[in-house]
Amino acid sequence: DVKVTQSSRYLVKRTGEKVFLECVQDMDHENMFWYRQDPGLGLRLIYFSYDVKMKEKGDIPEGYSVSREKKERFSLILESASTNQTSMYLCASSLTQDGAGNTIYFGEGSWLTVV
Amino acid sequence: LAKTTQPISMDSYEGQEVNITCSHNNIATNDYITWYQQFPSQGPRFIIQGYKTKVTNEVASLFIPADRKSSTLSLPRVSLSDTAVYYCLVGDGGATNKLIFGTGTLLAVQP
Repeated sequence: DVKVTQSSRYLVKRTGEKVFLECVQDMDHENMFWYRQDPGLGLRLIYFSYDVKMKEKGDIPEGYSVSREKKERFSLILESASTNQTSMYLCASSLTQDGAGNTIYFGEGSWLTVV
Repeated sequence: LAKTTQPISMDSYEGQEVNITCSHNNIATNDYITWYQQFPSQGPRFIIQGYKTKVTNEVASLFIPADRKSSTLSLPRVSLSDTAVYYCLVGDGGATNKLIFGTGTLLAVQP
């Protein structure tokens, strides 16, 4: 089974702190994603990466950056956390399969509270 | 990029069949349609995927009309444990494929 592991399940950080959310997948997937999920807003894409050192902005990249130095690891960075970044963050991965659809595998989520 | 539209919520009773429809008017030729299920405090998980006509697995069926501008997820004989948010997603699986989810449908199953 594919496993996507997020390093922290629950975090509490102070406003202005730098926050790292780590994600590791064990299936050699090319694509990795970071979403955030807020009540009533569904899943919103922050950033995705389709290869090592490659990244593209999603719908809501402001206030976030990402790092993909190794294929299996995709990090989300909040340079200066703010209270409006309190949310659940979901990491996901998928295989590149041209013309074969997408099956995305998600981690369990990281609940971040910024106080 | 194909955008999807689903009802925000649906109610059902145990033992009923539930059909959730998703609209994707701008679906591209190479796009597949995939449905995911999400329970509270968990990440979404894959349910079913299809390209055209009908697909069935042990969990659900997926009906896709000829024009592919919509799809219907069918859950037979739902139980309380099927209460969840259901998302449909369209995409072609290719590289640089930015996968955008809609707001999903909250299915509430009552006894």
